[in-house]
Amino acid sequence: AQKITQTQPGMFVQEKEAVTLDCTYDTSDQSYGLFWYKQPSSGEMIFLIYQGSYDEQNATEGRYSLNFQKARKSANLVISASQLGDSAMYFCAMRGTYGNNRLAFGKGNQVVVIP
Amino acid sequence: DTGVSQDPRHKITKRGQNVTFRCDPISEHNRLYWYRQTLGQGPEFLTYFQNEAQLEKSRLLSDRFSAERPKGSFSTLEIQRTEQGDSAMYLCASSLISGSYGYTFGSGTRLTVV
Repeated sequence: AQKITQTQPGMFVQEKEAVTLDCTYDTSDQSYGLFWYKQPSSGEMIFLIYQGSYDEQNATEGRYSLNFQKARKSANLVISASQLGDSAMYFCAMRGTYGNNRLAFGKGNQVVVIP
Repeated sequence: DTGVSQDPRHKITKRGQNVTFRCDPISEHNRLYWYRQTLGQGPEFLTYFQNEAQLEKSRLLSDRFSAERPKGSFSTLEIQRTEQGDSAMYLCASSLISGSYGYTFGSGTRLTVV
C-alpha cells in the first residue's frame, strides 16, 4: 500500500516569491510514480507535474519543479514566481507498480498568494 | 475532445433518496476511476473500470453504491438511500492503461445530503 503525507499548515506566499510544498511517501514498490495536482476552489484537479521513481533528473514543468529525494522518500513541489492564480489546494499523489494504477493522495497543502 | 465531463456539477438531495452521477471520460482512455473527496481531505479511491469491466472496488464503496460502464465509454455512479455522510465531492478520472501521465480528472459532482 502507498501512503502520502502532507503536513504543512496553510501557507501565505507573497506574489512573485517561490514556495515549497512538502510531500513524503511510503511504499514497498520498487517502481512508482509521483504526481502533484492543483485544486482551485472550483473543484477540478489539474495535473501539474510527474516524477517516475527511476527518473534520474528532477522533473520540471514551467514554473513547477519537483525536488525528488528518493532515499528520503520525499517529493517536494517548488512553485517559482508565485502568481495570484496559484492560490489553491495542492495534492501530492502516488501510483504504485501493480494492479489498477490507482492514485493515493495526501491531504493537501493550502496556498494563498497575496499581492 | 474536451476532457472528462461530469454531470451534474452540484446535487442537493434529501436523506434516503437515490442519486446518479454521470462521467464521460476522454474517448481513447481505457480506464475510468471514481474518487470521493470529503472536506479537508484528499480524494479517496472508490472503484475503477478497464473498458466495461469493473475490476476493483474499495471497501469504502458500501452496498448502497453501484457503478457501471456499460459500453466501455461513459460511467454512472449511483448511491441508493443516501445518508448525510455521503455528502462529498465525487471525482471521475480517466487514463490509458499504460499511463504514467494521463490521469485526467473531471470537475466533479458535489453532493449535499440534507
